[in-house]
Amino acid sequence: EPEVTQTPSHQVTQMGQEVILRCVPISNHLYFYWYRQILGQKVEFLVSFYNNEISEKSEIFDDQFSVERPDGSNFTLKIRSTKLEDSAMYFCASKGLGNTGELFFGEGSRLTVL
Amino acid sequence: GDSVTQMEGPVTLSEEAFLTINCTYTATGYPSLFWYVQYPGEGLQLLLKATKADDKGSNKGFEATYRKETTSFHLEKGSVQVSDSAVYFCALSDHSGANSKLTFGKGITLSVRP
Repeated sequence: EPEVTQTPSHQVTQMGQEVILRCVPISNHLYFYWYRQILGQKVEFLVSFYNNEISEKSEIFDDQFSVERPDGSNFTLKIRSTKLEDSAMYFCASKGLGNTGELFFGEGSRLTVL
Repeated sequence: GDSVTQMEGPVTLSEEAFLTINCTYTATGYPSLFWYVQYPGEGLQLLLKATKADDKGSNKGFEATYRKETTSFHLEKGSVQVSDSAVYFCALSDHSGANSKLTFGKGITLSVRP
């Protein structure tokens, strides 16, 4: 069964460092998303991406964040200068055509900022 | 804006007990409603969904009915198993467009004792 894959599963970084989280969405999907979950809190929407541009972003997704689909298969989330409060589980998701609303999620990348 | 409220957790039950996890929502229009589950060490998986009022979603013995009059989508299972131990998330899709996003509740941890 097709699945969304994410790497790394866990990354530890120092405050101020750049981090790139990678995702390979399901191959025929067209809509891509990043969510995050700070420990013990809600799963929060960060950004959606379609047709090589951002469709929608939340107020969390400030200038420190960027997304890219560099090669038609990977979908990356970059955090330019990490802060302690960026420590969270980051989930990538994708969706196919149709409007049932179901998203397919990866297993998540846990980011720990020290 | 749209929001999803789940009952506070965690929930601990004995095997074969009856499970109810409450979920209520606030949304404009007519959202689709979802329950996602996260088993230990895994990503978010769709458990069941309902796309219109009075629809009942069901899967793996779990059920939830879309109640527009009470804006609720409570999850139930008649007899839980140890393998049901996981985190359960209620979510809605706002149908704002083809790339509509999901809005999640906080999630609730279910532990089932043998």
